[in-house]
Amino acid sequence: NAGVMQNPRHLVRRRGQEARLRCSPMKGHSHVYWYRQLPEEGLKFMVYLQKENIIDESGMPKERFSAEFPKEGPSILRIQQVVRGDSAAYFCASSPAGEHQPQHFGDGTRLSIL
Amino acid sequence: GQNIDQPTEMTATEGAIVQINCTYQTSGFNGLFWYQQHAGEAPTFLSYNVLDGLEEKGRFSSFLSRSKGYSYLLLKELQMKDSASYLCAVKDNTNAGKSTFGDGTTLTVKP
Repeated sequence: NAGVMQNPRHLVRRRGQEARLRCSPMKGHSHVYWYRQLPEEGLKFMVYLQKENIIDESGMPKERFSAEFPKEGPSILRIQQVVRGDSAAYFCASSPAGEHQPQHFGDGTRLSIL
Repeated sequence: GQNIDQPTEMTATEGAIVQINCTYQTSGFNGLFWYQQHAGEAPTFLSYNVLDGLEEKGRFSSFLSRSKGYSYLLLKELQMKDSASYLCAVKDNTNAGKSTFGDGTTLTVKP
């Protein structure tokens, strides 16, 4: 019973390139969340998605960042024209539908910008 | 909006008991979660409280008082492997499904 799968585990990009982070939720989970974490800091909410819908993107920067969760395939967090400040760990979590369900986290993608 | 406060760091001795507090302010409370995160790893779910009172799960217990906006995580018989960050997360009923995380409490267990 696979957990939340994120890939790649580590991603290195040069300034100005694009970064694509993928997340496959646990089987049966229809809700996906993306978080960003800087070293020694807490998880900062970015976006909450259900299949083909963005429910809440209040934590996502207005420019360069986008997220999707298509009908088929993984959820994608896309960062265009990356800058040094984008270096962080990006965690994806999923949960089933229902009010009192905990989120299950993937192992994260460590993004490094050169 | 939501505001969540936890102590930044705590230190305790192996075999002892430690209590990690979390206070929150929210416009519409719909549950509180505790997660454990070891350095460089993913957070893992520990406990969930939606009603007042104590939830016990082995060495870990979590308490909630909704009227006080307060929760604590109690860790008994501390082990070295309990050294980790402990995250309090509050779910509100104005943003269905979304949880807001505190900055976490880094617990160091010493021999």
